[in-house]
Amino acid sequence: DGGITQSPKYLFRKEGQNVTLSCEQNLNHDAMYWYRQDPGQGLRLIYYSQIVNDFQKGDIAEGYSVSREKKESFPLTVTSAQKNPTAFYLCASSIGGRNPLGYTFGSGTRLTVV
Amino acid sequence: DQQVKQNSPSLSVQEGRISILNCDYTNSMFDYFLWYKKYPAEGPTFLISISSIKDKNEDGRFTVFLNKSAKHLSLHIVPSQPGDSAVYFCAASGPYYNNNDMRFGAGTRLTVKP
Repeated sequence: DGGITQSPKYLFRKEGQNVTLSCEQNLNHDAMYWYRQDPGQGLRLIYYSQIVNDFQKGDIAEGYSVSREKKESFPLTVTSAQKNPTAFYLCASSIGGRNPLGYTFGSGTRLTVV
Repeated sequence: DQQVKQNSPSLSVQEGRISILNCDYTNSMFDYFLWYKKYPAEGPTFLISISSIKDKNEDGRFTVFLNKSAKHLSLHIVPSQPGDSAVYFCAASGPYYNNNDMRFGAGTRLTVKP
């Protein structure tokens, strides 16, 4: 079955630590995205990548970093510079171009800073 | 700057009745609109979309209406079923649907009571 896998589902981090969220897709999609969801707010774009070895900052990239070394993988690192990292993180992918079906999302990772 | 707004955080309807979820947008350059449905602990899944050249799109029990002059769209679910209970996100993109410019609303939690 094709889809996007995010791991882990739940993640706890101590203040001052970096942590990496995994996102893997087997849909052969070119584009991948990371969103953050906070209560009462829409999904906000952190980073996106339209092709391997290239990625762009979204609206709230500060305190985050990504890599896109393989088409299938787009890991997100939440660094200690991120002031308020506790949130629900969603990874998505798309075939690229004008896709009437929008994005395919993973199940999300809930990150909690303790 | 929230370009897509869903002003009702929650909605409760009786099974068999109509559910109407609303969404407003501010960017007149948006030309494509989507609705996603999200169950707890899962990622959003595509539900229905509409292009700005249309004012209505129907798919089974789901109909999306677009009022460009009012910058407003709505999702109608008729008849509502308990399995429709979920969070519904409105999303918009444009011009010339691009991968990286999709904007999401905060979501409306729909509860359908048996």
